[in-house]
Parts: sequence; structure tokens; C-alpha cells
Amino acid sequence: NAGVTQTPKFQVLKTGQSMTLQCAQDMNHNSMYWYRQDPGMGLRLIYYSASEGTTDKGEVPNGYNVSRLNKREFSLRLESAAPSQTSVYFCASSRGSEAFFGQGTRLTVV
Amino acid sequence: GQQLNQSPQSMFIQEGEDVSMNCTSSSIFNTWLWYKQDPGEGPVLLIALYKAGELTSNGRLTAQFGITRKDSFLNISASIPSDVGIYFCAGQLYKAAGNKLTFGGGTRVLVKP
Repeated sequence: NAGVTQTPKFQVLKTGQSMTLQCAQDMNHNSMYWYRQDPGMGLRLIYYSASEGTTDKGEVPNGYNVSRLNKREFSLRLESAAPSQTSVYFCASSRGSEAFFGQGTRLTVV
Repeated sequence: GQQLNQSPQSMFIQEGEDVSMNCTSSSIFNTWLWYKQDPGEGPVLLIALYKAGELTSNGRLTAQFGITRKDSFLNISASIPSDVGIYFCAGQLYKAAGNKLTFGGGTRVLVKP
């Protein structure tokens, strides 16, 4: 039972490069989320998708875009990476209150 | 936006000790959840609380949903080395759009040298 799967696990980008973080869940959950985790700041919501076909901004959306490709998949895109986007990114899904997380993507922008 | 204040920010445990941490907010939450994150992993759900005053256990972990609905507590009894990690509280507002959660800053649990 895979749960929430994120790829890649690690990535190094140069400033200005673009990339897409992939996320897929096999739990048939309606809602999916992208968070970033920075030291001492907990988990901050970047974007979320309440259901297939909808996406909304979270607390820190600037510099990111998302696509809810289908019920299973929710991708996060950095169009022009900046050093301030160095972080650990987590995808999560939920049906109701309980969210389940992937293992994270550690992104470094140099 | 909403803020959850989690304390302490870090703590040292000695094997066999009982430890406590808490989470407070200026807002009323409908649901409280507690997660644990091991190094290099994503947060894992430990306990979910749905009713004011509710006390729920999961093995050596016990969590309570405060009666004011503005706070929650997590206790770990008889600590063991694998309790090391970061513990996060999370709250959900009534009818939160997309079932969004708000997270506290985390309590880092370390072993006393």
C-alpha cells in the first residue's frame, strides 16, 4: 500500500531553472496539498486542491503553480527557482480531517 | 492567517520519563491532530481528536482536546529512544475550505546526553 508517493526525493537546481515536483496518492482521497517545511517554521501550505479540477492558494503561493491532473495526481511547479525556495516539500492527501503525507522532496536552489 | 503556538520548541528526554507538550491558538478549532516526523520522513498521524474535552490514547501517547477548543495537549509516558523526533500539532477550522490544516511550529524531542 503505497499511500502518497513523491518524486524526486532530492533535487539541486540553479537559480532561474524550472522543475516540477510530482505527487500521486492511491487512497482515493478528494483533497490534496503541497506544503513546504523550513527550520523552526513548521509546515506552511503552498497550494491545495479540494477536489479534482479545483486548486486554491494557501499561505505561501508566490513563485509556485500547481496542476491537479486527475484524482490521483497533484504536481507543483517552480517556474524560475530562487534560493528562497530551498526547502523540504511535502505532498499530502486527505478525506476529511486526517491528512497523510509523502516522504518529501529536499530541494536546494543554488 | 491562523497561528498555532506549540511549546516547548524542544525538549530532552531520559528513558522512562513522562513528557508533555501543548498547542494553543487564539482561534477555535473543530479538530485537533498530532503528528510525528522522523528524520528524513514525512509526518505520520498519531492521534486525531474531534470533540472538546476528548481524551484519546494510542499506546504510550495520550492527547486531549481542550474544553475551550483553543488548545490541545500530548503526553508521552515512559519515554523510549525511538520517541525522538519532531511532534506537530495541527488544527482544522469548522468547515475549513479543502479540509485545510494549520500546523504548529513543532516540538523537537531529543535524548539527554
